Amino acid sequence: AIRITQSPSSLSASTGDRVTITCRASQGISSYLAWYQQKPGKAPKLLIYAASTLQSGVPSRFSGSGSGTDFTLTISCLQSEDFATYYCQQYYSYLPEFGQGTKVEIK
Amino acid sequence: QVQLQESGPGLVKPSQTLSLTCTVSGGSISSGGYYWSWIRQHPGKGLEWIGYIYYSGSTYYNPSLKSRVTISVDTSKNQFSLKLSSVTAADTAVYYCARARSEKDAFDIWGQGTMVTVSS
Repeated sequence: AIRITQSPSSLSASTGDRVTITCRASQGISSYLAWYQQKPGKAPKLLIYAASTLQSGVPSRFSGSGSGTDFTLTISCLQSEDFATYYCQQYYSYLPEFGQGTKVEIK
Repeated sequence: QVQLQESGPGLVKPSQTLSLTCTVSGGSISSGGYYWSWIRQHPGKGLEWIGYIYYSGSTYYNPSLKSRVTISVDTSKNQFSLKLSSVTAADTAVYYCARARSEKDAFDIWGQGTMVTVSS
């Protein structure tokens, strides 16, 4: 199975900050990586797929980059509604695997 | 706009079978082109993919759960279902149904989730 290591597990930031979350795959997965946002009591919401393609309706302050084994989600200017938990997910293999999550909290 | 809605018992006894249904609205499962998955999230934990089904009935399951999982589809009702047998407390989780555009793709639409507790 392809393992995904996501870091950090949590971070504190202020509105307006630039935030970066990283995922590393245990083997190369090309660009078969997605990012999700989850708020308490809600289902995950797809933000980015194919490592860098923004899902329709997602604000442009979210961006993704990377290929192979190392990937990054960047929130360029953190807004109040962005405080949530973020997950990456690889879909290179027929067994999708999610990262452990990064909780973005208010500083 | 396609929407997914999970339904089923919120409490299941140990050793019994967990049964959930996902109803698809705003689109037809039988039109093809999408893969329909079940994903769960243990309390306070991350996400675990359980398996998927295509409208034709072809399935693929997470090897860690394969011996206990059955996913089926009822195109006449525009629903797909999950059965998980021999449940234990470790199966207590929020269960989500979700859609992907292929068997190897991101999940673009999710149901709201349903909490299932395994307890006597």
